[in-house]
Amino acid sequence: KQEVTQIPAALSVPEGENLVLNCSFTDSAIYNLQWFRQDPGKGLTSLLLIQSSQREQTSGRLNASLDKSSGRSTLYIAASQPGDSATYLCAVPRMDSSYKLIFGSGTRLLVRP
Amino acid sequence: DAGVTQSPTHLIKTRGQQVTLRCSPKSGHDTVSWYQQALGQGPQFIFQYYEEEERQRGNFPDRFSGHQFPNYSSELNVNALLLGDSALYLCASSLVGARRSNTEAFFGQGTRLTVV
Repeated sequence: KQEVTQIPAALSVPEGENLVLNCSFTDSAIYNLQWFRQDPGKGLTSLLLIQSSQREQTSGRLNASLDKSSGRSTLYIAASQPGDSATYLCAVPRMDSSYKLIFGSGTRLLVRP
Repeated sequence: DAGVTQSPTHLIKTRGQQVTLRCSPKSGHDTVSWYQQALGQGPQFIFQYYEEEERQRGNFPDRFSGHQFPNYSSELNVNALLLGDSALYLCASSLVGARRSNTEAFFGQGTRLTVV
């Protein structure tokens, strides 16, 4: 059974700091891993999708890495800004399902001005 | 491209009532999945629709049912509402088709359901 864990549950950093969010999964047989951002009471915005054959993906100040063998992914945010404050969720699809995403509980990020 | 749209955005219902939530997928997407998200938790998979049929189902009772229309839009119905059904309901669309590989999921803004 696939389980996804995100550590830490909450993080508060001063503006400008570089930070790393962690995501771990128990079953390394995955198609891909997706990182999302969620603002309070809102839907999910897709940030990055890493296919199982890739090691990392970059979009602007965001860089996500994937290590299937160790069941880990990290989301690196460079030069954090107050507008980055949100909950960040990672999700992996089950291999026996076309599109059942298994989510972690998220990391709630606060970037202080 | 309007992306994934959901309606309504907020809803208040009384215990025992029935509710219908609606979702229009991103243009070109053929698959719709529904998720329930309780406060402080990650979304939980309810079910997925492709070619107007339920293809996958999560651990939710039969009170939760759905439908997909020929234009790929979808509805989520919940009967006999319980207080515990209060949550954010999210719709996700993707272009999966008959392949079992995965593509990027795009989510709507959600419907906040409150059961009183």
